[in-house]
Amino acid sequence: SQLAEENPWALSVHEGESVTVNCSYKTSITALQWYRQKSGEGPAQLILIRSNEREKRNGRLRATLDTSSQSSSLSITATRCEDTAVYFCARNYNVLYFGSGTKLTVEP
Amino acid sequence: EAGVTQSPRYAVLQEGQAVSFWCDPISGHDTLYWYQQPRDQGPQLLVYFRDEAVIDNSQLPSDRFSAVRPKGTNSTLKIQSAKQGDTATYLCASSLTANTGQLYFGEGSKLTVL
Repeated sequence: SQLAEENPWALSVHEGESVTVNCSYKTSITALQWYRQKSGEGPAQLILIRSNEREKRNGRLRATLDTSSQSSSLSITATRCEDTAVYFCARNYNVLYFGSGTKLTVEP
Repeated sequence: EAGVTQSPRYAVLQEGQAVSFWCDPISGHDTLYWYQQPRDQGPQLLVYFRDEAVIDNSQLPSDRFSAVRPKGTNSTLKIQSAKQGDTATYLCASSLTANTGQLYFGEGSKLTVL
């Protein structure tokens, strides 16, 4: 079952632009993690945000969490071609269940 | 620090053949996971271990799939009598239970069943 789902399914931006990926989840969480998967690689963690946090930053990345609406967002500023990847959100710690992901394409 | 290592990177089989995938987790990580990722979908958990014990294998698709981690380090995922529907990338990940819960993934083993 999909306990966390990203939207939109796909996005395309030009280098330097900002972009936001959204995530909705269906049950209570202790934390939410964002992962990025580049072509031919396994997913890699970007940010972990705990249920008592509202915002977390990691360089050009910013994640927000709204437990009342059971949603999260991941924003990337000053995008680069190397940000082209599929972005996933996943609930909680350790045992992770992924959605289908948002495919982001950053064009020169 | 070496990452999670998987082999082989690619496998092509005819239906009915068997295949084994091998995973070497990050040294010291007590938890090991196998995920199946069909094309254009997210990773789906198959099974995970803590040390040598299977914690949850309820998501293994059928009796054709098996996984072991006999010494609590390396792990093998085996598919017997493969079907076209098994075509996917098989990802291994490891984590240290005592940490923040971050999973470290290998590059995956891409299986094509003709």
